[in-house]
Amino acid sequence: NAGVTQTPKFQVLKTGQSMTLQCAQDMNHNSMYWYRQDPGMGLRLIYYSASEGTTDKGEVPNGYNVSRLNKREFSLRLESAAPSQTSVYFCASSGGWGSGANVLTFGAGSRLTVL
Amino acid sequence: AQSVTQLDSHVSVSEGTPVLLRCNYSSSYSPSLFWYVQHPNKGLQLLLKYTSAATLVKGINGFEAEFKKSETSFHLTKPSAHMSDAAEYFCVVTLWNTGFQKLVFGTGTRLLVSP
Repeated sequence: NAGVTQTPKFQVLKTGQSMTLQCAQDMNHNSMYWYRQDPGMGLRLIYYSASEGTTDKGEVPNGYNVSRLNKREFSLRLESAAPSQTSVYFCASSGGWGSGANVLTFGAGSRLTVL
Repeated sequence: AQSVTQLDSHVSVSEGTPVLLRCNYSSSYSPSLFWYVQHPNKGLQLLLKYTSAATLVKGINGFEAEFKKSETSFHLTKPSAHMSDAAEYFCVVTLWNTGFQKLVFGTGTRLLVSP
């Protein structure tokens, strides 16, 4: 089925370890996003990529880096994980323009625990 | 600045009774507004969207929302709750940044449905 695929679904890290969350979409969407979801805080935007070749910071970018590898793939990297980064991470994509603009399609989420 | 406030963190209803989830927004221009639903351990799914056409918007699964500019509200309603409606609901407003629209999420309302 068409959609957004995130890996891994679950990950446990120790403080200071690094890891990369992978995201791929097969809907030919221009724009991709990384959000984190914490209890009582809704979803907060970490980074986004309006189109292939561009990335920009969202509300909470500190401690993260991203790479828009090509039109399909958008990865999120934690260089030195901290307990405050324990969260559920969602990747999303959107068509970017016209009737599909701003309608996000979400992946199933990646639950990250940092000890 | 654009923001969105969901007035209730939890709403409890009985099956077959009406549902009302409240959302107020602030925006310096005519916004696009959305409701997304998240079932347990799942990604988010679009319920409905308002983009300056009809003020009463119908979505999936019998939900609808009314845009009221004078009250800066976009409340979500359903005439009769079903057990499968138990989920978390997010109200979302668009935010412009250098010609690109980003989405700002409310903190969510958890809907509990009892038999």
